Amino acid sequence: GAVVSQHPSRVICKSGTSVKIECRSLDFQATTMFWYRQFPKQSLMLMATSNEGSKATYEQGVEKDKFLINHASLTLSTLTVTSAHPEDSSFYICSVPNRRDTEAFFGQGTRLTVV
Amino acid sequence: SQQGEEDPQALSIQEGENATMNCSYKTSINNLQWYRQNSGRGLVHLILIRSNEREKHSGRLRVTLDTSKKSSSLLITASRAADTASYFCATGMNSGYSTLTFGKGTMLLVSP
Repeated sequence: GAVVSQHPSRVICKSGTSVKIECRSLDFQATTMFWYRQFPKQSLMLMATSNEGSKATYEQGVEKDKFLINHASLTLSTLTVTSAHPEDSSFYICSVPNRRDTEAFFGQGTRLTVV
Repeated sequence: SQQGEEDPQALSIQEGENATMNCSYKTSINNLQWYRQNSGRGLVHLILIRSNEREKHSGRLRVTLDTSKKSSSLLITASRAADTASYFCATGMNSGYSTLTFGKGTMLLVSP
């Protein structure tokens, strides 16, 4: 069965609104989760590392005020795209490493379309 | 920044044929992993090869790693239509296996 649950799988929102994406680890607790973004026909780019109980670590060029990450519990991380614009339309995927950090499990992804 | 570069970018073959995808990377790595992504879906981990390994097999998959050339290849033997997907290599940095830098991917189309 699924190890990581990501919700929603697809969302359409209007420009200027905010969208929250959830990533849940179903099988084990995770102090760290990762958020990636994937543009059409391109690769995954790491956006940020979500740390339980502390601030997320953002990759260079990713606006932390625009992509708010909250890792409030050991099984849930949320990514909120604030004041969304059409250029934020993308596929967002989270991943959760296992306890020994020997493998990463990916969510099914969220297709965000901003109109 | 992206680490891996896969080639070809797209590959079209017939069922039963073998598919070979290559990946090159730029910096030193701890491990290299291959993932599969069906259209618009999440990623599925296929195989991991550590930097001190040269070859690994898993079912119809064969992965090689040449750290001197900073390259890896993924071979899928006796391909099936269900193998149609995008395949990505990803390199693991530092001592962990989950902080990954992905290549651009190869889109594989297997026709019946």
